[in-house]
Formats: sequence, C-alpha cells, structure tokens
Amino acid sequence: GAGVSQSPSNKVTEKGKDVELRCDPISGHTALYWYRQSLGQGLEFLIYFQGNSAPDKSGLPSDRFSAERTGGSVSTLTIQRTQQEDSAVYLCASSFDGSNYGYTFGSGTRLTVV
Amino acid sequence: QKEVEQNSGPLSVPEGAIASLNCTYSDRGSQSFFWYRQYSGKSPELIMFIYSNGDKEDGRFTAQLNKASQYVSLLIRDSQPSDSATYLCAVTPTSGTYKYIFGTGTRLKVLA
Repeated sequence: GAGVSQSPSNKVTEKGKDVELRCDPISGHTALYWYRQSLGQGLEFLIYFQGNSAPDKSGLPSDRFSAERTGGSVSTLTIQRTQQEDSAVYLCASSFDGSNYGYTFGSGTRLTVV
Repeated sequence: QKEVEQNSGPLSVPEGAIASLNCTYSDRGSQSFFWYRQYSGKSPELIMFIYSNGDKEDGRFTAQLNKASQYVSLLIRDSQPSDSATYLCAVTPTSGTYKYIFGTGTRLKVLA
C-alpha cells in the first residue's frame, strides 16, 4: 500500500480483556517496528521484525505482550489481560531494511482500557 | 539522565522568524540522528536525518550535529503557523542501529 496501515484506529476495551492490533507495512519494506506513545511520554520501542530473522522483543514490557509477523508482511500485536497502564497510542512503522534513513509511521491505534 | 533530552516547550516564535530546537543525547556511540514532526493527534513524520558532524540543509530546515558535545539541533527558517507541532528528536543507540530512542519532544508554536 501507499502507507503504513493500522487498524483499528481506536479501541476501547475492558480491563482484563485481550486485544489485537494490526499493522500492514508499506509494500516492499522488510523491517517493521512497534512503538508505544503514552500521554506526555516519548515513543517507547516495543519490538522489531526484519525479514526472516528472529525479532528483537527486548522492548516488550511484560509477557502479556506478544507480536507476530506473518509472511514477512502484516503484523499483529496482542495484549493479553489488558491493564489500565496499557492505555496508549500504539504506532507501527516500517522501513526498507532496518536502515538508517528513518522509518515511516502508521496513523496508530489509540487503546483505552477502562 | 534521560537518553535523549529535549526541552518540552512550548517554544513560541513569530511568523517569519527562525525556530531553533535542541536535543542532547547520552550515548556517545550514537551514529544516526533524526527529526520527526508530530501534529496533535497525528503520527510522527520524518523531516530530516543527519549522520555527520556539521549542517545539513533541506529547504527551510537545517539539522546541525555536534558529536563531541552530543548535541543535535533543528533550525526552521521563515517559520510558518503550519510549522506549529511537536518536534521529536530520535537517536540510534550503539546497541542497535534500527532501534530509535526518542526524546519527549518540543512543542513549537508559530504565532501569526
């Protein structure tokens, strides 16, 4: 596609429920990233996928968070047993090869846990 | 000490003036530096990247890097009200060049 596509754009969920956030990167981009932006906070790295390599999961805040990337394209970030502190904007980004020319962000999913 | 520090602002400048946005970083081994612009309620948008000491110009924007001082800045010439946004500085750490460390951003207000 022309840009990084994320869905849903907004998600309100009850505490304790599981949620899935989807990201469709720019066509041809092999690198995909998930970041989280909380109110008044900087962007926090969550996970990085590059081609068929093992993902860098070092930023996932707890074992309730997981992500997968199927077929080297679409990625899903899953948060199990959501907590109020999970409320944030979840941003997906992609780039050609994890290179240093900057990456392109999607419009994000605003997650609210009530 | 935060890894990437920015003054949160707001930085207010009159239309037509030069806006100067600053960023310091703690990882001396950082190699790549980025400036993103984020409008309220929108996602970050890449403006510029810089790797080498000195200045890099792109239109009204100039990025300046001083690795010895661990300092990177963004100058916006002839500021316009449409430049009003939060500007995020991002740095790649020594540990992983694909993993950007972001500052919390400086809010810029350009007054018409």
